Amino acid sequence: KAGVTQTPRYLIKTRGQQVTLSCSPISGHRSVSWYQQTPGQGLQFLFEYFSETQRNKGNFPGRFSGRQFSNSRSEMNVSTLELGDSALYLCASSLDDGLYGYTFGSGTRLTVV
Amino acid sequence: GQNIDQPTEMTATEGAIVQINCTYQTSGFNGLFWYQQHAGEAPTFLSYNVLDGLEEKGRFSSFLSRSKGYSYLLLKELQMKDSASYLCAVVDTGTASKLTFGTGTRLQVTL
Repeated sequence: KAGVTQTPRYLIKTRGQQVTLSCSPISGHRSVSWYQQTPGQGLQFLFEYFSETQRNKGNFPGRFSGRQFSNSRSEMNVSTLELGDSALYLCASSLDDGLYGYTFGSGTRLTVV
Repeated sequence: GQNIDQPTEMTATEGAIVQINCTYQTSGFNGLFWYQQHAGEAPTFLSYNVLDGLEEKGRFSSFLSRSKGYSYLLLKELQMKDSASYLCAVVDTGTASKLTFGTGTRLQVTL
């Protein structure tokens, strides 16, 4: 079965711009989580959506937002980009609360210049 | 809050055994995951421990001690393809939908 699909794979944006990243979960998975991965901080939790509702949120500024659609696909948006937002953004999907395992996508590499 | 510690880097020889440790401090605990991540790729699931003890899966084993806040991942018969980062992640009872990761251990397997 198809895995978690993230688009685009690579993105270059300018400071001050905004960006939208997309994640299509494994068919049947209703939970989608987003993580930011940087060399110094590792993976940090951004937020998690389940059945179109945000169930959990990490400690990121309000410039980071997300949503989930009725087909469980999710998008995350970052507004007013800063250089420090350059990172690999990973999406993970799971059946429910993740206790049966999370499957990660290959990520979107965002570079802010 | 949660604090998870792993060694930053380790080196081991092909064919050898390596143990990667993870210690954690959490307000609640609902399980611990180990993931493998090759450079430029997605993290892939290795193991999940929720009860104390050793879980064995082929060349990989994972151990958990909840009373000590300690886990390790044991890799046997190391192969060059095992060169990767190994990520320890804890699930908090209050936020079952959220994983808190350590910064990962970069393992290099040499000839």
